[in-house]
Amino acid sequence: NAGVTQTPKFRVLKTGQSMTLLCAQDMNHEYMYWYRQDPGMGLRLIHYSVGEGTTAKGEVPDGYNVSRLKKQNFLLGLESAAPSQTSVYFCASRSTGDQPQHFGDGTRLSIL
Amino acid sequence: SQQGEEDPQALSIQEGENATMNCSYKTSINNLQWYRQNSGRGLVHLILIRSNEREKHSGRLRVTLDTSKKSSSLLITASRAADTASYFCATGTLSSGSARQLTFGSGTQLTVLP
Repeated sequence: NAGVTQTPKFRVLKTGQSMTLLCAQDMNHEYMYWYRQDPGMGLRLIHYSVGEGTTAKGEVPDGYNVSRLKKQNFLLGLESAAPSQTSVYFCASRSTGDQPQHFGDGTRLSIL
Repeated sequence: SQQGEEDPQALSIQEGENATMNCSYKTSINNLQWYRQNSGRGLVHLILIRSNEREKHSGRLRVTLDTSKKSSSLLITASRAADTASYFCATGTLSSGSARQLTFGSGTQLTVLP
């Protein structure tokens, strides 16, 4: 099993450009999450989904949008990238109940 | 805002020694989880302890939880160079409902010297 796969792994954008980060999981998990990780800090939740067709805001949602059209995919969009969005982005998924989250290996995004 | 705060921020020990990391949190929790992150990789779940549990073991890992002090500790016994990584505590709060959102601390960077 591949688990949680994030694409791309690296990306450099110019301020104002847009892009979409893709997260795919093959574990039939209901819940999916997008986090950002900045140096010296833990993960901060951007958006999450409790099932296909649902999305909700996390702690730091401004400047991001998400979609969950298929259960296995969770997309994170940046409509107009800003330097403050330079970060490492992690996607995670989990099944129902008190189950741990499974993480992808991250997307390293630099906004110039 | 960060619910959990790890202490120390960095820890360097010799192979074979034990490593202890602490986590403090602010609000009532449903469970507390520890994750490990190797450099350049995603987080990997280590152990979950529920609010009604006081201690849990998994291999060389021992986790304790003191809800009265709002704190937890992770003990890694007989450390190995391969244990070098960042370790994060994450709390699942009662207010997060079925989504079981986790709030992560800023992590402890553990270095095990061979």
